[in-house]
Amino acid sequence: QVQLKESGPGLVQPSETLSLTCTVSGFSLTSYSVSWVRQPSGKGPEWMGRMWYDGDTAYNSALKSRLSISRDTSKNQVFLKMNSLQTDDTGTYYCTRDVGWELGDYWGQGVMVTVSS
Amino acid sequence: DIVMTQAPLSVSVTPGESASISCRSSKSLLHSNGITYVYWYLQKPGKSPQLLIYRMSNLASGVPDRFSGSGSETDFTLKISRVEAEDVGIYYCGQLLENPYTFGAGTKLELK
Repeated sequence: QVQLKESGPGLVQPSETLSLTCTVSGFSLTSYSVSWVRQPSGKGPEWMGRMWYDGDTAYNSALKSRLSISRDTSKNQVFLKMNSLQTDDTGTYYCTRDVGWELGDYWGQGVMVTVSS
Repeated sequence: DIVMTQAPLSVSVTPGESASISCRSSKSLLHSNGITYVYWYLQKPGKSPQLLIYRMSNLASGVPDRFSGSGSETDFTLKISRVEAEDVGIYYCGQLLENPYTFGAGTKLELK
């Protein structure tokens, strides 16, 4: 069955770089796209960016200068790297499976990231 | 960026009754291809969001037909008929017409 699982450090120092991995199963990264979505506690989701099935990427313009999304299809993994983290980057980070233009027919369980010294 | 505004902030519903949640976009979400790119998601307590409605009125796989979506180019409604206990959570509308995709602040549905 389709599964996505986020992994990465729960605590990041301010100004440091966040590295997260989304490991997928039950579908191919060359057939489906994967997005990263984050959610501060008590707030609505924020779309961060997408790795398209063909290897192209799209980013939220508000984060584009700090964000990089890549993948390793042989390992069924999609990666997120975001630099210069600040306290308002604290929240839960999700990866989602996207069908064509649609976002999130499946979501991972999320990983909580706290930016604090 | 397209701003999505939801109302009300919260709604309290008696089980078996119906509920409606509104969402307004700052720009028309109707594409020239005739598709309206508004989506509805439900985040149950302690869980990840799940897709309910795609392209304004299409039910996602596995979603009960008690849920329905409708609207125009900028005003949208999610209706839940015969609310059940499992419907409790926060409902978000979102737009996938333009990058960046954006979401509303959410409407919390509780049971009376």
